[in-house]
Amino acid sequence: EDQVTQSPEALRLQEGESSSLNCSYTVSGLRGLFWYRQDPGKGPEFLFTLYSAGEEKEKERLKATLTKKESFLHITAPKPEDSATYLCAVPLPGNQFYFGTGTSLTVIP
Amino acid sequence: GAVVSQHPSWVICKSGTSVKIECRSLDFQATTMFWYRQFPKQSLMLMATSNEGSKATYEQGVEKDKFLINHASLTLSTLTVTSAHPEDSSFYICSGGRTSGSLGADTQYFGPGTRLTVL
Repeated sequence: EDQVTQSPEALRLQEGESSSLNCSYTVSGLRGLFWYRQDPGKGPEFLFTLYSAGEEKEKERLKATLTKKESFLHITAPKPEDSATYLCAVPLPGNQFYFGTGTSLTVIP
Repeated sequence: GAVVSQHPSWVICKSGTSVKIECRSLDFQATTMFWYRQFPKQSLMLMATSNEGSKATYEQGVEKDKFLINHASLTLSTLTVTSAHPEDSSFYICSGGRTSGSLGADTQYFGPGTRLTVL
């Protein structure tokens, strides 16, 4: 059965304290793994797409990596403005997305 | 690029009335548009998938006669909540699928969402 699990559910970091968020998946024939950021009361904002194991993408303080079983979103020296919920998603047939439940990140000044 | 707008951003209506929410892809043509519902502190729940000129495909448990979807063009989809009741109060978000140009799945770009409150 296709499944996407994110951990931890919530994460509190001090400003500057680097960490990683995890997205584990069990999907056959992966056609991409997507990362989004969602702020309260807003729609998700696209961050990255990863297509194959070993692929990495970076944007400012964020770096996403992909293996055959999981993806990591590494946050280097986070700032308070990085506080948000981070969602990962994998596509199903028909291009619908299967979303994880998200990691709520709080960065404390 | 890849901007999706929604209108209105919030709406309050009386029980029994209908509400229409518009979703537009502003700078790309969306092959497919998706409608989601999100409850507080929960992830997105897919309601339906629509392709331009075709009937929408609804997820199990979503009443198609209550949530009417019209995908009029490659840049516009509308969701009408008919005879709204307080339990329909939620955050509704649309997305447009944009081809990645590879064998991978389309990337979904999301609108800012519409907060519906039914009194």
